[in-house]
Amino acid sequence: GAVVSQHPSWVICKSGTSVKIECRSLDFQATTMFWYRQFPKQSLMLMATSNEGSKATYEQGVEKDKFLINHASLTLSTLTVTSAHPEDSSFYICSALMSAIQETQYFGPGTRLLVL
Amino acid sequence: AQSVSQHNHHVILSEAASLELGCNYSYGGTVNLFWYVQYPGQHLQLLLKYFSGDPLVKGIKGFEAEFIKSKFSFNLRKPSVQWSDTAEYFCAVNAGTSYDKVIFGPGTSLSVIP
Repeated sequence: GAVVSQHPSWVICKSGTSVKIECRSLDFQATTMFWYRQFPKQSLMLMATSNEGSKATYEQGVEKDKFLINHASLTLSTLTVTSAHPEDSSFYICSALMSAIQETQYFGPGTRLLVL
Repeated sequence: AQSVSQHNHHVILSEAASLELGCNYSYGGTVNLFWYVQYPGQHLQLLLKYFSGDPLVKGIKGFEAEFIKSKFSFNLRKPSVQWSDTAEYFCAVNAGTSYDKVIFGPGTSLSVIP
């Protein structure tokens, strides 16, 4: 149990286009999901906390208009990178909080974005 | 603000050697502590976690960690490593509530030589 999926796993796009990444909790409901960014050989940097039915909370320095997060249901959160540029190329990882009791995040496999 | 530091950026060990990876955090209140592992080409997996109780926590694959509150530390240990333990190890902390964000340390890359 506690599987989190991401789609797509790989995406290559042209500069200026928008890219949507989906994060799904497959066998549990997640009221809270988190979006991270990981640069090569570096740690995960939290971008935003996404709560179902409400606006996401962004970390300092993360542009909310650039990285649009929607958490429309208890099993799906989406991250849209708008007007992507080469510097947005990175590995984006989501995690889902299984429940308040468990207090453990389960991570998706990540999405590698390459902007040309 | 919370922060997490890991003592070593890269550790190289021979098989059967003992492992200890250092982790320190800065936060004065109640914390939850985690160790995650990321094998090459795979996603993050939880090795073990500490919420409360016995400060010596046992996780999967023979790993354990000890929470020393006075030292703000949560070091990861394994008595005998295997080649398959080659991976990136991340220490992480959140401030005691499930809804709070998890802050990750910079990671330690472990290479085990057969």
